Amino acid sequence: SQQGEEDPQALSIQEGENATMNCSYKTSINNLQWYRQNSGRGLVHLILIRSNEREKHSGRLRVTLDTSKKSSSLLITASRAADTASYFCATPGYALNFGKGTSLLVTP
Amino acid sequence: KAGVTQTPRYLIKTRGQQVTLSCSPISGHRSVSWYQQTPGQGLQFLFEYFSETQRNKGNFPGRFSGRQFSNSRSEMNVSTLELGDSALYLCVSSLEAGQNPYEQYFGPGTRLTVT
Repeated sequence: SQQGEEDPQALSIQEGENATMNCSYKTSINNLQWYRQNSGRGLVHLILIRSNEREKHSGRLRVTLDTSKKSSSLLITASRAADTASYFCATPGYALNFGKGTSLLVTP
Repeated sequence: KAGVTQTPRYLIKTRGQQVTLSCSPISGHRSVSWYQQTPGQGLQFLFEYFSETQRNKGNFPGRFSGRQFSNSRSEMNVSTLELGDSALYLCVSSLEAGQNPYEQYFGPGTRLTVT
């Protein structure tokens, strides 16, 4: 069953702009993960943030986690056309529980 | 080292038929999980195999089954196909059982279309 819900469902920006995606979840977690999927292919793990962390950076990615609000955000700075993809948050259980994703389009 | 391999990559079947999808995990990985991805339901967990044993199963009907061989390769089978089974089927390879994200690698998927 799905745990995370991403917002917005779709986002269109121009190269160089920042893209922010949000994820809300329902139950207590010990970590939250973000994945990227390029055009109907397999998912690639981007970043994991633990429940005792508020913010985490990886290159142009910045993830925040607010456990009191059960929400997380993924910020991609200085977006590039190559960032065009779907982005999913996932929470752990006996399986990964994915949201339905945010479809990001970055135009030159 | 080679990544996760899924075969075939694309498949078209007719309602009522059955289909078998294959996944070869990364060498040395013993856990294989399967997910179904559809536009309506998103990514849904099917099952996980570790050392030839099914460890966990998602909420899918019995038409969906799987197995794992001694070389860790896994197959999933869907019998009596329905239109709603059209989806991208993703295989995930990991070293051990469980959900350590740093050790999980997704395959490219098999796109199944049921007509």
